[in-house]
Amino acid sequence: QVQLVESGGGVVQPGTSLRLSCAASGFTFSSYSMHWVRQAPGKGLEWLAVISYDGINKYYADSVKGRFTVSRDNSNDTLYLQVNSLRPDDTAIYYCARVPITMVRGAAYWFDPWGQGTLVIVSS
Amino acid sequence: DIVMTQSPDSLAVSLGERATINCKSSQSVLYSSNKKNHLAWYQQKPGQPPKVLIYWASTRESGVPDRFSGSGSGTDFTLTISNLQAEDGAVYYCQQYYSTPTFGQGTKVEIK
Repeated sequence: QVQLVESGGGVVQPGTSLRLSCAASGFTFSSYSMHWVRQAPGKGLEWLAVISYDGINKYYADSVKGRFTVSRDNSNDTLYLQVNSLRPDDTAIYYCARVPITMVRGAAYWFDPWGQGTLVIVSS
Repeated sequence: DIVMTQSPDSLAVSLGERATINCKSSQSVLYSSNKKNHLAWYQQKPGQPPKVLIYWASTRESGVPDRFSGSGSGTDFTLTISNLQAEDGAVYYCQQYYSTPTFGQGTKVEIK
C-alpha cells in the first residue's frame, strides 16, 4: 500500500540544521510531486514547500524561503527537507504529503496521502 | 496569500445530529479554466496526520462515508456531517489549492 515515512526529527539547539527525510513506498515515487507541511504543537497546518515529480520545480512558503531546501532522490524513492538556522518557532511535526495525480507540477492539488510526521523541537 | 477563515472554531453536536462547518476564502478559488473550486476538506484525529475527505469542494474521497458532504463555490464553502457518529470527533480543516496552499485554522467537532 502507499506509504510515506518521515524521519530525521529530534531535539536541536537554535541556529542548528537538520535534514528531514520521507521514504516513499507502494507507488511510483518519480511520477508524483511532493509537499512538506508542518504543524506546531496544538496549532494548525502550515504548507512549507513543494517539489515537482522530476525535481525541476520547487516552491516555498515565504516564511521559510532561504532557510529550507526541498530535494528528492528518485532513484531511492526519498524526499528531503534541509532545514537551516532553526528557531524555536520551527518546533513542529513535519509531514510529507503526496499530490494525488501523476506528472503534474506546482501546488494546484490537494494532499493525499500524508506521512505520520517527524517531530522537530528547537530548544536551548 | 489567500487567507482561509473557518467558523466556528469549535462545536459540540449530539450523536445522530448534523454538524456544519463554514470556510471562507479571501479571494475566489474558482479556477476559470477548469470551472472547478480548488478547495479540499481534511479530518485530523489526535496523534494522526490529516486525511482528505473532500476535494474540488464537493467530491468525496473514495472510502469516505456519504454522511460527509461539501458544498459552496467562489469564496464560501461548507462541510456538512450528517448523522454524526462517535468516530467523527476530530478537527476539520479546509485548504485552498488555487494558489500557494493555505489552510483554515481548524474547527474542532466534539460529540455532545
